[in-house]
Amino acid sequence: NAGVMQNPRHLVRRRGQEARLRCSPMKGHSHVYWYRQLPEEGLKFMVYLQKENIIDESGMPKERFSAEFPKEGPSILRIQQVVRGDSAAYFCASSPRFTEAFSNQPQHFGDGTRLSIL
Amino acid sequence: AQSVTQPDIHITVSEGASLELRCNYSYGATPYLFWYVQSPGQGLQLLLKYFSGDTLVQGIKGFEAEFKRSQSSFNLRKPSVHWSDAAEYFCAVGPSGGYNKLIFGAGTRLAVHP
Repeated sequence: NAGVMQNPRHLVRRRGQEARLRCSPMKGHSHVYWYRQLPEEGLKFMVYLQKENIIDESGMPKERFSAEFPKEGPSILRIQQVVRGDSAAYFCASSPRFTEAFSNQPQHFGDGTRLSIL
Repeated sequence: AQSVTQPDIHITVSEGASLELRCNYSYGATPYLFWYVQSPGQGLQLLLKYFSGDTLVQGIKGFEAEFKRSQSSFNLRKPSVHWSDAAEYFCAVGPSGGYNKLIFGAGTRLAVHP
């Protein structure tokens, strides 16, 4: 029973390049969350998605960052024109579809993608 | 504003000693409460959660936590620490009902002396 899968585990980019981070949720989960962890800090919420829908992107930087969760395939967090300050660990979490029966399901986290900007 | 405070950045204990990690939260309503553990280079593993009911909750690896509404606290405890417990521990809160947009504390790094 595979957990949340993130790839790549490590990603190195030069300033100005694009970074694409992928997340496959646990089987049966249709909610995906992205968090960012800066060095020596806790995780900060970025965006919450369901299939083909962005539900809450209140934690996303206004520029250069975007996220999607298509009908087929993994969720993608995309960072355009990366800068040194984007260096961080990016974690994806998933949870089941929200219903009354699943209203208190915790999120399950992947192992993260460590993004380094040269 | 919603926030989570973990007052201790680093804690060092001897193997076999008891442990208590502090967590205080500020939240408009009764939140859902979580403790996660993160080993170096790894993701977060859920230790335990509190949604409602008994305020003393048991988790994995011998951990427990107690919800104290009057103190807005959710401290994590373990009676006897093992060397393998060395890791970073995060307290988190989320809204009761609906989806869980979690707010994390800054974490407490636990070191265990042999």
